[in-house]
Amino acid sequence: AQKITQTQPGMFVQEKEAVTLDCTYDTSDQSYGLFWYKQPSSGEMIFLIYQGSYDEQNATEGRYSLNFQKARKSANLVISASQLGDSAMYFCAMREGRAGTASKLTFGTGTRLQVTL
Amino acid sequence: AAGVIQSPRHLIKEKRETATLKCYPIPRHDTVYWYQQGPGQDPQFLISFYEKMQSDKGSIPDRFSAQQFSDYHSELNMSSLELGDSALYFCASSQRTGAGTQYFGPGTRLLVL
Repeated sequence: AQKITQTQPGMFVQEKEAVTLDCTYDTSDQSYGLFWYKQPSSGEMIFLIYQGSYDEQNATEGRYSLNFQKARKSANLVISASQLGDSAMYFCAMREGRAGTASKLTFGTGTRLQVTL
Repeated sequence: AAGVIQSPRHLIKEKRETATLKCYPIPRHDTVYWYQQGPGQDPQFLISFYEKMQSDKGSIPDRFSAQQFSDYHSELNMSSLELGDSALYFCASSQRTGAGTQYFGPGTRLLVL
């Protein structure tokens, strides 16, 4: 079974609109972390936002927020007020095990977001 | 703020040649990870080091080896290169405190001809 599932291969959003990128995960660990990364066409992998499994509040970082629904095992990324520079591939990733361990990240297949005028 | 440094940024090799990729983690980060991202794919974990000791191993071919040195920089050595090794290779680093967020370097784009 896939540990991280991103069901939207591609998404379009108009500039200044909000967009939600879906991510569901599968783990039997009680302690885990969920991350979103942005990969522009230039190739670098940029960290956006983190949610720990025990965090009760949804994470927010500027225009990014994470809609964490633990019972549904989903961790959707919400980008508000989209900008042209948000056009990129977005990866959801999971670290199994508690923070502070050198645990690998497992990535989803990504969602390519295109922001239009 | 200082970021992860990788060198070289681009590398072209022939089949059966060897390649060495270098990674300099963010200062005071004690853990280094290597990932391989094939064209149109998601990154796949190769290997990680904590305090210069191998911590975890993923789908790293036997032809590849890696180590972390006393100054915390890491090198990924790749021998008998194959066409399928053409990929973007990322190094990431993290601290074992807080969320342990992995920060990625810009990657080394390897092309095997």
